[in-house]
Amino acid sequence: GDSVTQMEGPVTLSEEAFLTINCTYTATGYPSLFWYVQYPGEGLQLLLKATKADDKGSNKGFEATYRKETTSFHLEKGSVQVSDSAVYFCALTFSGSARQLTFGSGTQLTVLP
Amino acid sequence: KAGVTQTPRYLIKTRGQQVTLSCSPISGHRSVSWYQQTPGQGLQFLFEYFSETQRNKGNFPGRFSGRQFSNSRSEMNVSTLELGDSALYLCASSRGRQGTNTGELFFGEGSRLTVL
Repeated sequence: GDSVTQMEGPVTLSEEAFLTINCTYTATGYPSLFWYVQYPGEGLQLLLKATKADDKGSNKGFEATYRKETTSFHLEKGSVQVSDSAVYFCALTFSGSARQLTFGSGTQLTVLP
Repeated sequence: KAGVTQTPRYLIKTRGQQVTLSCSPISGHRSVSWYQQTPGQGLQFLFEYFSETQRNKGNFPGRFSGRQFSNSRSEMNVSTLELGDSALYLCASSRGRQGTNTGELFFGEGSRLTVL
């Protein structure tokens, strides 16, 4: 079945450091890919998405590029802030079942001042 | 506009009991999906309702059920609770029209269920 693999956390960085959270997927066909973020005590929020190969999703300084050849969707940010501390989830879905997301295990990010 | 509202936020039950959780979607959203979040299994899809009909179902036993009302509000029910049902249950809404907003869901804060 479809699956998403994220790098193990937790990840701890100093403010203004560069962030990469790896995400790879296994799926039959070409899914849409997403990054969701969960801040403490809140529900998940869509951070960015890409619906086809080579698309780049971006939002709030975060970026991720849909790489079909490596089945990857790594999340990057050039300079993290304390307010970026949260759990980040990579996810995929297919258009025929768009609300049925398959999530990765999540990566806890802590940014220290 | 108001976000997705889930009630209750916290509840404690004992094994064998049943529980009903409620979700009010964002106004205008007709699709409601439910997810279970646990430390061991992560986020897992339970089911999705659209216009009062179940459109997709995840791999959960029949003890897990749901429904949607004409105003798009949804409830999920878990009967004969087991210890392993302890989890954060998340509701998500979207407009739900096929081919639109693919995978873009708006989540509530969740209902945290503890089974003793």
